[in-house]
Amino acid sequence: QKEVEQNSGPLSVPEGAIASLNCTYSDRGSQSFFWYRQYSGKSPELIMFIYSNGDKEDGRFTAQLNKASQYVSLLIRDSQPSDSATYLCAVTEGGYQKVTFGTGTKLQVIP
Amino acid sequence: DTEVTQTPKHLVMGMTNKKSLKCEQHMGHRAMYWYKQKAKKPPELMFVYSYEKLSINESVPSRFSPECPNSSLLNLHLHALQPEDSALYLCASSQVRTDNSPLHFGNGTRLTVT
Repeated sequence: QKEVEQNSGPLSVPEGAIASLNCTYSDRGSQSFFWYRQYSGKSPELIMFIYSNGDKEDGRFTAQLNKASQYVSLLIRDSQPSDSATYLCAVTEGGYQKVTFGTGTKLQVIP
Repeated sequence: DTEVTQTPKHLVMGMTNKKSLKCEQHMGHRAMYWYKQKAKKPPELMFVYSYEKLSINESVPSRFSPECPNSSLLNLHLHALQPEDSALYLCASSQVRTDNSPLHFGNGTRLTVT
């Protein structure tokens, strides 16, 4: 069975620090990788997507992909209390239509 | 504001009821999805429609019946549900079979089966 794994946390970081969230996946055929943020009781909100090996930056967020190691990560710089949420890693498998989510990492940013 | 609209926001139904969840998007997407999410768990894929045709059914019980009347609408018909079916039901849409196809979620329907 294809798996997407994340440390469930909680990951606690002080305000202004860098938060590092990690995700590994089992399907070597996966092509597309997404990070979603989900506040309690709300629906997932897309933060970033990445398709090529390397880094992709968008504001305070940087996604990193290493297909050889089957590893994708999200860095959040200058973490804010409003960043406190569950971060879901999502991976396509068997083509682009099936998206599988990891269990999520709960991030707590301490003021 | 989300561009994928789900109604109702909350639904309470008995085990003998028939109800429907509705989803509408005007993003021009031709792939639409139903996900189920239990508390403190990730979303689990239920169904995928591609060009208004069912392309993926993740072995979902027949008491859940999806329907895609046109490219903008997606329904989920519910019948004879069980209390363990209580969850947040999420609709999503995306472009079809391209790299640039992240899922865009609606706000979800919180379903309680009594």
